[in-house]
Formats: sequence, structure tokens, C-alpha cells
Amino acid sequence: GAVVSQHPSWVICKSGTSVKIECRSLDFQATTMFWYRQFPKQSLMLMATSNEGSKATYEQGVEKDKFLINHASLTLSTLTVTSAHPEDSSFYICSAPPGARETQYFGPGTRLLVL
Amino acid sequence: GQQLNQSPQSMFIQEGEDVSMNCTSSSIFNTWLWYKQDPGEGPVLLIALYKAGELTSNGRLTAQFGITRKDSFLNISASIPSDVGIYFCAGQWGETSGSRLTFGEGTQLTVNP
Repeated sequence: GAVVSQHPSWVICKSGTSVKIECRSLDFQATTMFWYRQFPKQSLMLMATSNEGSKATYEQGVEKDKFLINHASLTLSTLTVTSAHPEDSSFYICSAPPGARETQYFGPGTRLLVL
Repeated sequence: GQQLNQSPQSMFIQEGEDVSMNCTSSSIFNTWLWYKQDPGEGPVLLIALYKAGELTSNGRLTAQFGITRKDSFLNISASIPSDVGIYFCAGQWGETSGSRLTFGEGTQLTVNP
């Protein structure tokens, strides 16, 4: 099946710093990738849709200047949490579909803890 | 916007028992998906359903796409301890890869050996 990886798997940072999370499709190309956030004991909430070669589409309520998304190639999308604060601590998960009419496969997630 | 209601929120069962969970939506979807998430990991796709009325099996798992396109259920037969985890339904409106998923709230399954 399609494999999606994320790096790092976990990160601890100080409040005010920026953190970059990578999402890679390992055995397929993805023109579209998705970024989700999941708080403890809650479901996944879509943050934004990452489009290769163009601007990301953000969901309502998600600050685009705080969560910077760059989809520079067909196998890599990055999410940068700028000026992170403790309330940004969460589990960030990306997903990608391996084909135009195929469903989404998820990465293993990145646990972010902001102190 | 579209909302998914997933039930039950949690289940505590004995090993060997069958399990059923379902999702209902206020509006229709073109695709229903079922995922399982283990602690600290990303969701893993279990079953994908693409046509109303479709019934699909994957080992001990069976899922159906409701005729109205507003609901889906997942059954697990003869549960085993490794079935423990959170099960999410997800609906997708569009038919292209760029279509967003809407997730249910999840069903936490506990299997007692």
C-alpha cells in the first residue's frame, strides 16, 4: 500500500520558537496533501490542504500566517508552526492520496509539545 | 457544514464477541471510509466504500455504505485483543484526490482477553 512518512515523530520546543514538520510520500507522487491536528481524545480536524506548486487552502479558523505550508515537490509538504505557544501542543498528522481517485493514506503523526 | 455522528463513543467487550459501530451524516457522501488508530500513531485505512449499498469485507471486518448515502456501519467479528484502538469513520464528498475528509468522533474499542 501507499506509504506516507513524517519527520520528526516528536518534538519539544520552547514557546516562541518555530517548528517544521515534514510529510513525505515514499512510493508515489501527491499533488495534494492534507494536514490535520488531533487533540487528546478528539477526532482529526483538517487544518489545510497543501497543493503542489500553489498556495495551500486553509480551513476556517486556521491562521495561515501561523501555520505555514509549503508543497515544493510532488513528494514533500512541510508544515511550519511559527512562534509556537503551549496551546499549539498537539498531534499533527498528514495524509496524501496516491492517485486522482484514490483515498487518503496517513502518516504516523508528529507529537508537538511546546513548553 | 457536514457533520458525522459516530456511535457508540466507546465499547468494552470480551474477546470473541462481535462488534458493531456506525456513522450517520446530515448530508450525503460519495465515499465512506473506516480507519483504525492506535495510540500515538496515524490512522490506518481498513475499508473504503465507493457505492451506495456496497458491502465490503476485509478479513473479520465488514462495512456497508448505506443506501441513502448518509450512513455506514462497521462490524468486527470474533474480536481479538489486537482489535483494541480507536475506529473512525470518514466521509468524502468529492470523487477526486483533492476532496477533503470529514471524520466522525471515533469509537474507542477495548477488548478484554
